[in-house]
Amino acid sequence: GESVGLHLPTLSVQEGDNSIINCAYSNSASDYFIWYKQESGKGPQFIIDIRSNMDKRQGQRVTVLLNKTVKHLSLQIAATQPGDSAVYFCAETFSNSGYALNFGKGTSLLVTP
Amino acid sequence: SAVISQKPSRDICQRGTSLTIQCQVDSQVTMMFWYRQQPGQSLTLIATANQGSEATYESGFVIDKFPISRPNLTFSTLTVSNMSPEDSSIYLCSLGGDYGYTFGSGTRLTVV
Repeated sequence: GESVGLHLPTLSVQEGDNSIINCAYSNSASDYFIWYKQESGKGPQFIIDIRSNMDKRQGQRVTVLLNKTVKHLSLQIAATQPGDSAVYFCAETFSNSGYALNFGKGTSLLVTP
Repeated sequence: SAVISQKPSRDICQRGTSLTIQCQVDSQVTMMFWYRQQPGQSLTLIATANQGSEATYESGFVIDKFPISRPNLTFSTLTVSNMSPEDSSIYLCSLGGDYGYTFGSGTRLTVV
């Protein structure tokens, strides 16, 4: 898996702006990817997923982009709200049945009024 | 997706003691996973727990330190043994893809 640092990178955005959170994954064989949101004192919460046969998927206010060539994922949050402040993790796995997740480093999103 | 009840939510423990963390699932699931999240860091897989067989541990984690039980398809425990301050972390259980890769709420462990 990826190495992790001691401090999470932080993204600060103003309320109402769009946020883009990036993630590099390590395993070229991974075929399923998930973005999680983790608020303080809680477990990771599933936001959106994407399979490797897609390069874009949209949810409610969120879009995930997948670039397999450079092994890169991004999460776009439209019209960011204070409630979006949290740590965001990408996770990869090989097939979506019975395999554990390998997590990226995480990004702390801070939404300012 | 299934719902996981994890407890305790937090604990402060003396070094040298052990703590057992429980996860109860509202569905029968084949695989469960245990992760550790050290302060300010991402999640790292400790082990994969199948019902009816020994847990499979990742590099850097051993059964003597983190024994896991999986007595049935709805329940699992992780014990953190002979604790030291370096074990202070959040410990989380999780389900596989068939159950939405759901996570428990985590156990925040502080070892003093």
